[in-house]
Amino acid sequence: GAVVSQHPSRVICKSGTSVKIECRSLDFQATTMFWYRQFPKKSLMLMATSNEGSKATYEQGVEKDKFLINHASLTLSTLTVTSAHPEDSSFYICSAPTSVDYNEQFFGPGTRLTVL
Amino acid sequence: GQNIDQPTEMTATEGAIVQINCTYQTSGFNGLFWYQQHAGEAPTFLSYNVLDGLEEKGRFSSFLSRSKGYSYLLLKELQMKDSASYLCAVGDSNYQLIWGAGTKLIIKP
Repeated sequence: GAVVSQHPSRVICKSGTSVKIECRSLDFQATTMFWYRQFPKKSLMLMATSNEGSKATYEQGVEKDKFLINHASLTLSTLTVTSAHPEDSSFYICSAPTSVDYNEQFFGPGTRLTVL
Repeated sequence: GQNIDQPTEMTATEGAIVQINCTYQTSGFNGLFWYQQHAGEAPTFLSYNVLDGLEEKGRFSSFLSRSKGYSYLLLKELQMKDSASYLCAVGDSNYQLIWGAGTKLIIKP
């Protein structure tokens, strides 16, 4: 199957700093990628849809100035958590569909963010 | 509104069979997905149903009834490694996935 990578897998940072998370589709092109957030024992929460060459579409309640998304190429999307605070600590996962109708999405391994 | 319901937790015995149910109410329907997620890891794809009926894939089978807004995931010959959360997700009219909260499956020897 298709492979999606994420980097870093785990990051610990101080409050107030910014953290960049990369999501790459390794063997296919993804014009769209999805960014999710997951709290312990909770379901995935869609944060935003990243679109190559255009602005990301954010879900209601997600601050676009805090969670900056850049989809610079057909294989790379980045999520930057700006001025991170402890409440931003979470598991962030990206996914990319491999077909136009999004029948199947492949997930990156996730990034565990801990803000001290 | 959009809603997906599945049990929070289930327990089963190694070697047995377990059925995890999922009911949904969504705006539009473009398929129902089942994912497996081990603790601390990203979900992995298990199955996709868009037409009514049963899809079988090895020890795992998934059933869909669109008229009832209902699906189940059937796991046979349970193994300890099947202990995980199982997430039901529905593709809505925009082809985005609406996720259930997941069912934590505990397998006992």
